Parts: sequence; structure tokens; C-alpha cells
Amino acid sequence: KAGVTQTPRYLIKTRGQQVTLSCSPISGHRSVSWYQQTPGQGLQFLFEYFSETQRNKGNFPGRFSGRQFSNSRSEMNVSTLELGDSALYLCASSPGQGAVGYTFGSGTRLTVV
Amino acid sequence: QKEVEQDPGPLSVPEGAIVSLNCTYSNSAFQYFMWYRQYSRKGPELLMYTYSSGNKEDGRFTAQVDKSSKYISLFIRDSQPSDSATYLCAMGPIYSGAGSYQLTFGKGTKLSVIP
Repeated sequence: KAGVTQTPRYLIKTRGQQVTLSCSPISGHRSVSWYQQTPGQGLQFLFEYFSETQRNKGNFPGRFSGRQFSNSRSEMNVSTLELGDSALYLCASSPGQGAVGYTFGSGTRLTVV
Repeated sequence: QKEVEQDPGPLSVPEGAIVSLNCTYSNSAFQYFMWYRQYSRKGPELLMYTYSSGNKEDGRFTAQVDKSSKYISLFIRDSQPSDSATYLCAMGPIYSGAGSYQLTFGKGTKLSVIP
């Protein structure tokens, strides 16, 4: 059974650019959540998508956005990158509908220079 | 006060030692308590999952939840070098409407088991 796949694994971007990260959840999982992980703040919730609808959002600025496609694959976009956006971005999938416990991907390491 | 507190370590122990990892929390509504293990350059993987109070054992790993004290623990017996990783506690759910929930994570404790 394939796990959660995130691409790319590593990215280096310049301040002011934008970036798109991709996540393919476990087959049959309809919920995809995105988290930002930094040494100082730990894991912080960005947003959750279920059946192509964003149904929950964390406390991040509007520069962070996402979407989910009909096959449950999800993308997140960060516009006007700042140095503080350097982090590991993790995608987690779950069956949804109250299921507790995520399966995480290996993450995308974003470095903003 | 943060919702979940976890000692970041680092924690270094000799092989074969018993390891105790802990988290405290403030939200009495939490019902699910989890431990994730994260190896370097990998995403977290679910290690143990407990509902409400009590103990749960899985091989060398034991998870304990004390809701009265708002305190959870993970014990690792006969620790191995392969146990070297960052351990994150997580708890929830926090329901946000429309069937959505999220978990609150501790910042993680970095464990090194020395051969």
C-alpha cells in the first residue's frame, strides 16, 4: 500500500518568489492536512481539505493557500516568500469523517534565501 | 501557558536503558493521545494511540495517560540505537465544525540511544 507522497523533497527559493508543493494521499483517504514544522514552533496546522473543500484553517497569513483535486491530491501554495517561511512542510492524510491519527508524508524541505 | 508542553531534550541514553518521555497539556477536552516517532529527514509516523486514560503496551513501548494530572508518558524498554529519533506527543481532537478536527502536537523530544 503506497504511503503519502510529497513532491518535491527539497526546494530552494528566493525571497519574493512563490512556490507550489504537492501531496498525494493514501488511496481512499479523502482528508489532507498540511502542517509547517520548524525547530522553534514545532508542528503548526496550516489547513485541511476534505472532498475538494477547505474545512479548517490555521492561523497563517493569506499568502498560504491550498486546494484539493477530485482524486484527493492536494497542493499548497506560498506566495511572496519570506525568509521565515523556511521550514519542513508536511502533508498528512486520513480517511476523514472523524478518524483520528494521521499518516504523514516525508515532507518538503523549503529553504528561502 | 502552551496547550501542550514537551521537554525538547536532547535526551541521550545507553543502549538497553529504559526511556521515559513525557508531555503535559492544559485542555481537559482532549480524548485521544498519540505518540509519533520522526526519524531525521522523514515525516512523523504514528507509534502509539490511546483513547482516554489508562495504559497501552506494544512490544517494548508503553503509553500511559493520566487525565486527572493532564500528563502522558511513553516508556521504551530495552532501548536500541534504532530508537534514536524525535518523539512527538499529539492529542485532540479539536473539532472545528464541518466534520473537521485537528491535533495539537508537542514540539518533540530528540532521543539518542548510544551503543
